[in-house]
Amino acid sequence: QKEVEQNSGPLSVPEGAIASLNCTYSDRGSQSFFWYRQYSGKSPELIMSIYSNGDKEDGRFTAQLNKASQYVSLLIRDSQPSDSATYLCAVRTSYDKVIFGPGTSLSVIP
Amino acid sequence: DARVTQTPRHKVTEMGQEVTMRCQPILGHNTVFWYRQTMMQGLELLAYFRNRAPLDDSGMPKDRFSAEMPDATLATLKIQPSEPRDSAVYFCASGSSGGWLDEQYFGPGTRLTVT
Repeated sequence: QKEVEQNSGPLSVPEGAIASLNCTYSDRGSQSFFWYRQYSGKSPELIMSIYSNGDKEDGRFTAQLNKASQYVSLLIRDSQPSDSATYLCAVRTSYDKVIFGPGTSLSVIP
Repeated sequence: DARVTQTPRHKVTEMGQEVTMRCQPILGHNTVFWYRQTMMQGLELLAYFRNRAPLDDSGMPKDRFSAEMPDATLATLKIQPSEPRDSAVYFCASGSSGGWLDEQYFGPGTRLTVT
């Protein structure tokens, strides 16, 4: 079992729809969770961090964390073509290491 | 506008040559990470430093890779000798690690091609 797993996609959604990106992790003691966005040919960019169970909203982005289920998700409301990118989930494990998932490719269709 | 800077942005070299990549972390950040990204393997952690001390370099091939932080404003990643399988994009990231935070800010990367 990989430490951080994501659906590789590609995930295609129409413009204006909600995009839902999912991530599961194996280390139950993990405490910090991050979502990064990476455009093709560019470096990863931090867009959300979440540390407590529940939802955290920032503009059109909502991160959701459920530690009991070892699950973290990212919702993008009113998806725009400019949201087309690869989204990387990262988890800070209990053994002091940040592990990145393989990423989910999102395509927003105009 | 605080950013992580990396040099060079692109490097083409022949197998067997030494390659040195440099990174300037964001001023005030105390944690520096080196990653390698390929299509096949995704983003792999090679090494990281906290307060200039190496904390983990288990992701690096020890026989050919080395990472150092000679001072707080410079981190280096060296490959000697380079091999075609080292071709990848190498990212440096920095962060301000206060307990459980560990948000990371990435540089633009060095695209390495070894022929």
